Amino acid sequence: GAGVSQSPRYKVAKRGQDVALRCDPISGHVSLFWYQQALGQGPEFLTYFQNEAQLDKSGLPSDRFFAERPEGSVSTLKIQRTQQEDSAVYLCASSLIRTSIFEQYFGPGTRLTVT
Amino acid sequence: AQSVTQLDSQVPVFEEAPVELRCNYSSSVSVYLFWYVQYPNQGLQLLLKYLSGSTLVKGINGFEAEFNKSQTSFHLRKPSVHISDTAEYFCAASKGAGNMLTFGGGTRLMVKP
Repeated sequence: GAGVSQSPRYKVAKRGQDVALRCDPISGHVSLFWYQQALGQGPEFLTYFQNEAQLDKSGLPSDRFFAERPEGSVSTLKIQRTQQEDSAVYLCASSLIRTSIFEQYFGPGTRLTVT
Repeated sequence: AQSVTQLDSQVPVFEEAPVELRCNYSSSVSVYLFWYVQYPNQGLQLLLKYLSGSTLVKGINGFEAEFNKSQTSFHLRKPSVHISDTAEYFCAASKGAGNMLTFGGGTRLMVKP
């Protein structure tokens, strides 16, 4: 079946521009996570949705970052007034929520470069 | 708070040699442990996971890991590596369903012919 997809795969933005990154999770997956992976680092948690509810946004680095999942499926991560330090790969992951099966399935990521 | 430490940033090894990638975690609560592999320009793929039960976990591509609670470790091993195993490997911990993954910094495995 189809896995997690993300678009665009690559995005170049000039400093100060707004960007929107899209994640299509696996159909039926209740949980959706966003992670930020800086070059040469491990992914770091940004935010978590259960269906359309954003239950944890403790990892969002500033109020320029905003995420939504209005219908409980597709999610969008928006970054306003991008800065150079926002350059990273943004990974989306989805999972079931049954306690015995909560493996997170990752998309290929969106590589954001802010110039 | 959880933290995950991968002790080696790079591990060079010759083809067909054994390899161990080290991972230590710290957590005050029950923890579930994972190893993911990331090939260039790709997302993360799960190699194996420890949720409960047997402390020796077998995964895909011939990898295995051992959960050691007393040493708070979850080292990844493979008895004989292939060139195709060259990739970045991440150890991660979670408190359970609906909880984020906390990742280590990654270990780059470089398999040489």
